[in-house]
Amino acid sequence: QVQLQESGPGLVTPSETLSLTCSVTGGSINSYYWSWIRQPPGKGLEWMGFVYYTGSTNYIPSLQSRVSMSVDRSKNGVSLKLTSVTAADTAIYYCARGSQDFDIWGQGILVTVSS
Amino acid sequence: SSELTQDAAVSVALGQTVRITCQGDSLINYYASWYQQKPGLAPILVISHQHRRPSGIPDRFSGSRSGNTASLTITGTQAEDAADYYCHSRDSSGQHWVFGGGTKLTVL
Repeated sequence: QVQLQESGPGLVTPSETLSLTCSVTGGSINSYYWSWIRQPPGKGLEWMGFVYYTGSTNYIPSLQSRVSMSVDRSKNGVSLKLTSVTAADTAIYYCARGSQDFDIWGQGILVTVSS
Repeated sequence: SSELTQDAAVSVALGQTVRITCQGDSLINYYASWYQQKPGLAPILVISHQHRRPSGIPDRFSGSRSGNTASLTITGTQAEDAADYYCHSRDSSGQHWVFGGGTKLTVL
C-alpha cells in the first residue's frame, strides 16, 4: 500500500525558503506525477504544481517565480522549495500522487511563516 | 477568486439527494474531479474523470457534466457525508490546474 509522508520545518522565518520533502513508501515514484497542494488555515485548497518522475514540472503561475519541485530518486521521494516566504504562505502543505486525480495524499504538514 | 465557482454552502436532509455544482469555462473541454475533506483530515478523491468512482467510494456518489457545469450528486445522503467538497480541473488556459472554492455540505 503506497503511503506519502511530508516532512520539514514547521516554522519558517519570513523572507527565507520553505523546504519540504514527500517520502513515498510501499511503491515507486516512477511513472507518476507528484503534486503539491496547500491549504491556508480555514481556507480552501490551492494546487501549487506537480513534478513528473522524469523531472519535468508544471507550476501555478502565481508561484512560478518562487517555487521549485524536484524528484529525489535516492530517497524515493519528491521535494518542494518555496522562496521568499511571507505570512501568506502559512498553510498545511500536502503532497499527492497524480496530476489531477489525486488518488493518494499525505497527511499534510502545517508550515507557519513567522519571526 | 477561483476560475471554478462553487456554492459556499449547501444543506440536505438525511436520506435525501443533493447536487453540488462547479462552474467554469474550462469544464466545457476538461473533466472535473471531486474531493471530500473532513475536518483535520486530508482530502480524498470521490470522483475522477468526471464520473468514475474510485474503489471504496459508495455508489451513492456520482459525477456528471452539462455544458460548463460539473456536478457531484449524493443520492440518499448519510450523516457521514457532511464535509467540504472541492472540484478540480484545468484553468481557462488549459495549461495549469485549479480547485474550486469548496462547498460545505451540512446534513440536517
